[in-house]
Amino acid sequence: QQQVKQSPQSLIVQKGGISIINCAYENTAFDYFPWYQQFPGKGPALLIAIRPDVSEKKEGRFTISFNKSAKQFSLHIMDSQPGDSATYFCAAQRRSGNTPLVFGKGTRLSVIA
Amino acid sequence: EPEVTQTPSHQVTQMGQEVILRCVPISNHLYFYWYRQILGQKVEFLVSFYNNEISEKSEIFDDQFSVERPDGSNFTLKIRSTKLEDSAMYFCASSVGGGNIQYFGAGTRLSVL
Repeated sequence: QQQVKQSPQSLIVQKGGISIINCAYENTAFDYFPWYQQFPGKGPALLIAIRPDVSEKKEGRFTISFNKSAKQFSLHIMDSQPGDSATYFCAAQRRSGNTPLVFGKGTRLSVIA
Repeated sequence: EPEVTQTPSHQVTQMGQEVILRCVPISNHLYFYWYRQILGQKVEFLVSFYNNEISEKSEIFDDQFSVERPDGSNFTLKIRSTKLEDSAMYFCASSVGGGNIQYFGAGTRLSVL
């Protein structure tokens, strides 16, 4: 019940295209859903996050769509650029208390020109 | 911009040896975490620490592991007798509060030979 399932494992997108990464969770106690971006040799860095009281959050080219009833959320990267090539992790957390992040397995995104 | 600092960036050790991984969290942060990432796999929670004691730990964090905040700035992870399967990237993270954004360091790559 603590798992977060992420797909696809890898993704290749043309420059300018839309990248879509999907995640699903089971634990309804999760109330915070961040996406982390990780470049090779670096630690994960927070990209964008959403709470379950909204269905969508947009920051620049990055959008999270959230479906509470389906317990699914997704990351959309519009106008994908080669500099977006990285590994993306979805995560979930119970924000009450000192709770750990539960990560998905990650998606390696390659944006090709 | 404040950041979480980890040293060393790469640690090579022989099986059975003790290692200490060091972290300097962001200065006004009160919650500290260790995660690990085995090559090609997801980031996994090890332990969280607040007010000089462990708040939560995963099943990975067995008796071979310990954490300490020896002074006002450092946060360490000790592995008493390393095993081959301890080879991974170890990330330190910190947050202002228990439910706040966790900021990750660049990680220490531990190689156990």
